[in-house]
Amino acid sequence: DAGITQSPRHKVTETGTPVTLRCHQTENHRYMYWYRQDPGHGLRLIHYSYGVKDTDKGEVSDGYSVSRSKTEDFLLTLESATSSQTSVYFCAISDTSGRRAPGELFFGEGSRLTVL
Amino acid sequence: KNQVEQSPQSLIILEGKNCTLQCNYTVSPFSNLRWYKQDTGRGPVSLTIMTFSENTKSNGRYTATLDADTKQSSLHITASQLSDSASYICVVRGFSGGYNKLIFGAGTRLAVHP
Repeated sequence: DAGITQSPRHKVTETGTPVTLRCHQTENHRYMYWYRQDPGHGLRLIHYSYGVKDTDKGEVSDGYSVSRSKTEDFLLTLESATSSQTSVYFCAISDTSGRRAPGELFFGEGSRLTVL
Repeated sequence: KNQVEQSPQSLIILEGKNCTLQCNYTVSPFSNLRWYKQDTGRGPVSLTIMTFSENTKSNGRYTATLDADTKQSSLHITASQLSDSASYICVVRGFSGGYNKLIFGAGTRLAVHP
């Protein structure tokens, strides 16, 4: 199994509070991603990183920010959580962008966030 | 709009039976197609990756097919086992505006009963 650890695995919080989810990898992969998974929807990309301090927005980035100060850590922050951000969040890593080679995408175990 | 549609949404079969899951996509241009297995409460795990030039790819009891002309893929599971109970996700990589992206289907939830 790819060395990806997400924390916390479960969190319940209240509307308006800040939340940070952490993804830690031991594979030294360049690319890291945050997705959210909701019933009836495919996984949707929130933000991704293509290197230390290099990040970009995905298709559902509103209300989220990310940071990557080290190769191994990618943080997802909800500055002021809303009920619509209740979801399961998955971190993924890859050693390629997928542009020239398919590139394998490895997922963490997920972080279930409930915003009351 | 680039889309990936999977059918059926859910499926129940008896242990030992075969089944086929479908994936239709409108992503263009197309780079590759993947099938993932996601156990309940776990992250997705890759089963196969197929490029546009590949028609069939097997991984044990899992066989994926791809028809790039009709933009259809299928995942066939042979002699199902209880451990096959999971969601199966079809993912297509395409290119849009010089940016390559993965588009995920909503998945098919398979339940294998004894």
